[in-house]
Amino acid sequence: GDSVTQMEGPVTLSEEAFLTINCTYTATGYPSLFWYVQYPGEGLQLLLKATKADDKGSNKGFEATYRKETTSFHLEKGSVQVSDSAVYFCALSETTGANSKLTFGKGITLSVRP
Amino acid sequence: DTGVSQDPRHKITKRGQNVTFRCDPISEHNRLYWYRQTLGQGPEFLTYFQNEAQLEKSRLLSDRFSAERPKGSFSTLEIQRTEQGDSAMYLCASSQGASGSFYEQYFGPGTRLTVT
Repeated sequence: GDSVTQMEGPVTLSEEAFLTINCTYTATGYPSLFWYVQYPGEGLQLLLKATKADDKGSNKGFEATYRKETTSFHLEKGSVQVSDSAVYFCALSETTGANSKLTFGKGITLSVRP
Repeated sequence: DTGVSQDPRHKITKRGQNVTFRCDPISEHNRLYWYRQTLGQGPEFLTYFQNEAQLEKSRLLSDRFSAERPKGSFSTLEIQRTEQGDSAMYLCASSQGASGSFYEQYFGPGTRLTVT
């Protein structure tokens, strides 16, 4: 079945540091890929998405590129802020039929210190 | 629109009791999903509704679990004879939708269940 593997955490960075969070996936078809974020005390929010190979999703300074050859969708940000402290989940969806259920990785906690 | 709401936010129950959770999706959304998230894990799909029809159930959804969406609006998830292993965060999400396309899923804040 489909699966998503995220790098082990937690990750602690200083403000303005460069961020990379690794994500690889296994899927039978051609999934859409997503990064979701959960800020403290809030629900899951879609951060960015990419629906086909070589697409780059971007939002709030975060970027991720859909790499079909390496089955990866790594999240990057050039300069993190304290407000980026949250839990980040990589996910995929295979839109077969009507069900667009999401398959999530375990998530990784990012803490950014001033 | 106030987003997806879930009630209650927290539930503590004793093993063997029945519990019911409610999810109110965004009003124009015809798709509704239930997920379960345990500590240190990502959410796992439980079941999915298109309007009032329950179209898919995960094998995680044992026969003690039942979900309904009677009028295609709010949904309930009931767990009968709760077990300690049912302790988790239960998440609801809704989206618009048409077959073969992905529409963003909007998540509620979740119901945290603790079975003692």
